[in-house]
Parts: sequence; structure tokens; C-alpha cells
Amino acid sequence: DQQVKQNSPSLSVQEGRISILNCDYTNSMFDYFLWYKKYPAEGPTFLISISSIKDKNEDGRFTVFLNKSAKHLSLHIVPSQPGDSAVYFCAVLSNTGNQFYFGTGTSLTVIP
Amino acid sequence: DTGVSQDPRHKITKRGQNVTFRCDPISEHNRLYWYRQTLGQGPEFLTYFQNEAQLEKSRLLSDRFSAERPKGSFSTLEIQRTEQGDSAMYLCASSASGKGNEQFFGPGTRLTVL
Repeated sequence: DQQVKQNSPSLSVQEGRISILNCDYTNSMFDYFLWYKKYPAEGPTFLISISSIKDKNEDGRFTVFLNKSAKHLSLHIVPSQPGDSAVYFCAVLSNTGNQFYFGTGTSLTVIP
Repeated sequence: DTGVSQDPRHKITKRGQNVTFRCDPISEHNRLYWYRQTLGQGPEFLTYFQNEAQLEKSRLLSDRFSAERPKGSFSTLEIQRTEQGDSAMYLCASSASGKGNEQFFGPGTRLTVL
């Protein structure tokens, strides 16, 4: 019973272009969403978050969009840089507020 | 370095042995989480502590697994009678209450059960 799904296991983008990573969730009661980035041999690193009262949150090159009716969120990275190459996980906070559900990740490769 | 630390980074053990992992969270963080991650999957929640109280446990946490956080600071995760299916990366994360739920992860302990 996967609560969070990232249907694209991998994505390749040219440097300077936009990277769009997608995530779908199952429970309309979820109200806090996060994106993490993970390099090999390291733990995930927090990137950006959004609460359900917003539909967009921006931090520099990173923007997260939330479509509550579609139960979908996306992460836009623009312009993409080679250093952005990593695995990106979306996560949602459970209704109890005590645990996070993570997607399976999307491996982004930014080609110089 | 004041980030989350985990020890050991790697552990190889034989099936049936017990193993214990340690996590030292960021010092002012009162919340601590354990996750398990297998290849091609995202982190799967195992358990959550607020201070020394274990407030939530996943059904993934069988009776062979036990976690403690005796003084509300570091935490240990013990796996008894390890099985090959326990081979995974075990991640620890910490956060502070009221800080937007941002979790800081440690580098993980990679367990290999032979």
C-alpha cells in the first residue's frame, strides 16, 4: 500500500534546462509535503517543503507545486546544474504527524 | 560537525546474530526517527521518539527489532536473530518541534546479513 508514488525512476536533462520531478499521493488528508535530495553514500538532505494551504513554494532555483485535487506535487529545478544530479524523494507527513511516507525516488542526471 | 551521526557506517554479520546501531541526533532536536531503506526504494518508517518516549512504531518493526532512547538524546536500534531480509540501509533522522517538520538525516548504517 504505497502511500506516495514516484512513477519515473530516472530523468535526464540538459544543463540549463528545466527539470520536473513528479509525485502522487493517495490520501487527501495529507497536508504537509517535502522533497529530499540524496547523493550516494549520504543520507537524504531536505530541499523544500509545502503545506496544503499553499499551491506553490519557491526557494531559489527550486519550486514545489501542489495540486490537491489531483493529489499531485511536482518539483521544478530551473536552471538545472550538473550538481543537481542525485536521487530525489518526495515525502508526506502522516495524519498523526509522527511519521513520513517516502516515494521510491527519481534519479536525476543533468548532462553538462 | 553538529549533524546527525550514526555508528557503525557498515556492519556485516551472519544470519542469527544480534546487531545494534547507534544514532546521535542534533543536540537540540527532541524528535528522532529510524528508517530502513532497501535498493530502489525510499526510506520506510520504522519508529519515532519524542524525547525518550517511543510514540509510534511501524508494523515493519517485528518483535526482533527494538529501539530505545533512554535519556532523550542518542538512540539505539537492535535487531535480534538477524535474517538475510534485514540487509538494508538503516537511517536515523532528527528534528525539532515547531521547526516545520524538517528532518535531518544521518549517513546511515549499511547492514549486510550473510
